[in-house]
Amino acid sequence: EAGVTQFPSHSVIEKGQTVTLRCDPISGHDNLYWYRRVMGKEIKFLLHFVKESKQDESGMPNNRFLAERTGGTYSTLKVQPAELEDSGVYFCASSQGSIPYEQYFGPGTRLTVT
Amino acid sequence: AQKITQTQPGMFVQEKEAVTLDCTYDTSDPSYGLFWYKQPSSGEMIFLIYQGSYDQQNATEGRYSLNFQKARKSANLVISASQLGDSAMYFCAILNFKAAGNKLTFGGGTRVLVKP
Repeated sequence: EAGVTQFPSHSVIEKGQTVTLRCDPISGHDNLYWYRRVMGKEIKFLLHFVKESKQDESGMPNNRFLAERTGGTYSTLKVQPAELEDSGVYFCASSQGSIPYEQYFGPGTRLTVT
Repeated sequence: AQKITQTQPGMFVQEKEAVTLDCTYDTSDPSYGLFWYKQPSSGEMIFLIYQGSYDQQNATEGRYSLNFQKARKSANLVISASQLGDSAMYFCAILNFKAAGNKLTFGGGTRVLVKP
């Protein structure tokens, strides 16, 4: 069974540009989460989808971040325009509806904003 | 709100020895879960072990065991018989079941380096 996949693995962009990160959860997992770890800080929750609906987006830092989950399958996280402080590793995780707390993480996307 | 504290930023351990990674937590919710994840240099986060707040026994998974002391609000991870492949970052996390959503709150992590 394929795990959570994320694309790209690494992205380097200039300040002011736009970047879109993609996450493909484990097949059949209704719950999808985004987390990020900025340099030297803890991993922080960003948001949680249940199927295509946003269940909790309390961790989204500001309106430069837009997350979508089309048809309850893959999810994208767009940063527009990117700022230097957005640099970090963005993790996606997914879990089954019946065991929501068992979250399986993807390998992360390392975003570098220069 | 909940909080996780990992006081050991890094540690060395000799191969084949046991190592204990500290984790203390703070939460006002009586129903919660505690998790440990491993992040090797390749970057992925690997789930290791889970302990529920109402579980009477300490969780064990192979060489991993969780020393759960509820009164002290600690959930230390014990890795027995360390292997070179155990070198990684280790994160402790908490999830409050009564809170809306299923968000994990993580500690700052502990970097473990196993010496041959």
